[in-house]
Amino acid sequence: NAGVTQTPKFQVLKTGQSMTLQCAQDMNHEYMSWYRQDPGMGLRLIHYSVGAGITDQGEVPNGYNVSRSTTEDFPLRLLSAAPSQTSVYFCASSLGQPRGEKLFFGSGTQLSVL
Amino acid sequence: KQEVTQIPAALSVPEGENLVLNCSFTDSAIYNLQWFRQDPGKGLTSLLLIQSSQREQTSGRLNASLDKSSGRSTLYIAASQPGDSATYLCAVISNTGKLIFGQGTTLQVKP
Repeated sequence: NAGVTQTPKFQVLKTGQSMTLQCAQDMNHEYMSWYRQDPGMGLRLIHYSVGAGITDQGEVPNGYNVSRSTTEDFPLRLLSAAPSQTSVYFCASSLGQPRGEKLFFGSGTQLSVL
Repeated sequence: KQEVTQIPAALSVPEGENLVLNCSFTDSAIYNLQWFRQDPGKGLTSLLLIQSSQREQTSGRLNASLDKSSGRSTLYIAASQPGDSATYLCAVISNTGKLIFGQGTTLQVKP
């Protein structure tokens, strides 16, 4: 049981480049989400999904795109990278809505945008 | 707007001490509260989940309490060990399922 798997672990981009951060879980969790963690700002929700085919915006969605075609995968796309998107990105999942379930986190992707 | 505060930001204690980490929140209309542990360069691990109807949860040497009316939660760590060194974060979950995280307390337990 691998849990929540994120790839890559590290990435350096140039301003304007696009890329996709991958997230996969093997726990048959319905709820998946993406957070960014910045010093002094804590963890902030970017996008989330309550099931395949359903996504919604979180607190800081601008510049990011998501889709959920399967229960297992929830990729995060940076459309045109900006230095302000330099951060550590975490994917998290739970069996149901996080109101009543523990969240399971991936190990993170450290992204630098030059 | 819900705000979550954790004080202190950092804490250093000798091994064996019992310690308390604090979490306060401004809006008492929460659904539940979770405590997480984060090791350097790693993701978060859920430690304890307290439903709004509960007052405390225990797991091994960890005990978390919740007082909704005063907007406070505490994480008690008994007989601390060097392996407990990590950053501890609390997150409140609103009735709509939104999580708001505190900024964490970084704990160092010295041998």
